Amino acid sequence: GAGVSQSPSNKVTEKGKDVELRCDPISGHTALYWYRQSLGQGLEFLIYFQGNSAPDKSGLPSDRFSAERTGGSVSTLTIQRTQQEDSAVYLCASSGGGTWAQYFGPGTRLTVL
Amino acid sequence: KQEVTQIPAALSVPEGENLVLNCSFTDSAIYNLQWFRQDPGKGLTSLLLIQSSQREQTSGRLNASLDKSSGRSTLYIAASQPGDSATYLCVGRTDKLIFGTGTRLQVFP
Repeated sequence: GAGVSQSPSNKVTEKGKDVELRCDPISGHTALYWYRQSLGQGLEFLIYFQGNSAPDKSGLPSDRFSAERTGGSVSTLTIQRTQQEDSAVYLCASSGGGTWAQYFGPGTRLTVL
Repeated sequence: KQEVTQIPAALSVPEGENLVLNCSFTDSAIYNLQWFRQDPGKGLTSLLLIQSSQREQTSGRLNASLDKSSGRSTLYIAASQPGDSATYLCVGRTDKLIFGTGTRLQVFP
C-alpha cells in the first residue's frame, strides 16, 4: 500500500466498553509500533512487534491494553474496560526495507465518555 | 506548511564532549515540542517534552530549550557517552505531529 493506514479514524465509546483499533502497515515492513498521544501530552510508546520475535510490551500502561499482529502484517490494539484517561490519539507506525525509519499512520482518535 | 528541520544531519564525536543538536520549525504555533531518541529496530524513546508555555526542560545530562519566537529548539547533551549513539528526533505538535529530519549521533570511545 501507499502508506500506513489505521481504522477507525475516530471512535467514541462509553466507559467500561472494549475497543479494537486496527493498523495496516506498509507492505513488506517487518516492524510495527503503537504509540498514543493524550491531550496536552507528548508521544508515548506502547508496544513494538518485530517479525516473529516476542513483542516489546514495555510501554503498555496496564493489563487492560493488549495487541496482536496476525500473519506478520495487520495489528490490532485492544483496550478492555475503557477508562476516560484512555482518551487519546493512537498512532501506528511501521518500518522495514533495510531502514528503521518509521512511517506513521494517520491515527485513531479515541474518546471515552 | 509546518516543517521541522534538524541540524546537523549527522554528528560523530569522541566521548566526553558536550553536544548541541538543533531543531527549527517554520510555524511558531506549536502546542509542544518533544525530543526522542531512536535506536535501530526499536520504538521511539521520549527524552524531554516542552510545552509551548515553557522555555526548557532538564533530565540528567540532557537539557532542551524552546524559543517559539525564533522557531528553534536545542537539545544539549553533556559529557556524551557511547550509549548516547542514536538518531535524535524533534517532533512538534500543532493539530498534528510534525517530525523533524533527525540527527544521527555517533559517540566513539
